[in-house]
Amino acid sequence: LAKTTQPISMDSYEGQEVNITCSHNNIATNDYITWYQQFPSQGPRFIIQGYKTKVTNEVASLFIPADRKSSTLSLPRVSLSDTAVYYCLAFFSSGSARQLTFGSGTQLTVLP
Amino acid sequence: EAQVTQNPRYLITVTGKKLTVTCSQNMNHEYMSWYRQDPGLGLRQIYYSMNVEVTDKGDVPEGYKVSRKEKRNFPLILESPSPNQTSLYFCASSTTGGGYTFGSGTRLTVV
Repeated sequence: LAKTTQPISMDSYEGQEVNITCSHNNIATNDYITWYQQFPSQGPRFIIQGYKTKVTNEVASLFIPADRKSSTLSLPRVSLSDTAVYYCLAFFSSGSARQLTFGSGTQLTVLP
Repeated sequence: EAQVTQNPRYLITVTGKKLTVTCSQNMNHEYMSWYRQDPGLGLRQIYYSMNVEVTDKGDVPEGYKVSRKEKRNFPLILESPSPNQTSLYFCASSTTGGGYTFGSGTRLTVV
């Protein structure tokens, strides 16, 4: 399983765009990148996942360069309610095995 | 509503008294998994199941058992709980290629 590295914490202000970068130097060909958000005492919530280039949904964008050794989660115009821990994971999905290993995550604090 | 339901939400028990934490999902997901979360250690996988009657160990399986007799249910069993199993537990499910849906968590205290 690919090991991911991301900043321990980040601060931002309301209304700003926040970019959280994750490195995964040993990502395998079949690994996907996925991001989760977690509030205190709640289960993680799936945000977005992708394999390469750019993926966008209603809450975030995910940028994965051609070499796939890193990825960036982009949150547009954050609000106070976006304060949470964000996890970057690389996972291998197949019919035979599928493990998801969480790292320490990035604590995002949005300030007024 | 599509969801993963865990019960109980809170549980205080004594060392050695067998307990079961139930997990049920209504999304017909093949894949289910249990995690524990501890301060400073993050989320660690205990067991996972690819489908009915197919289970495998995660990173921290010692002291836990699971079963997957039906697709929707994946109970976590602690045969003889110990204080080091005091933790916040999450159940999750997903389709083979999709994102996980997590339950609301079970906060277990073993005294």
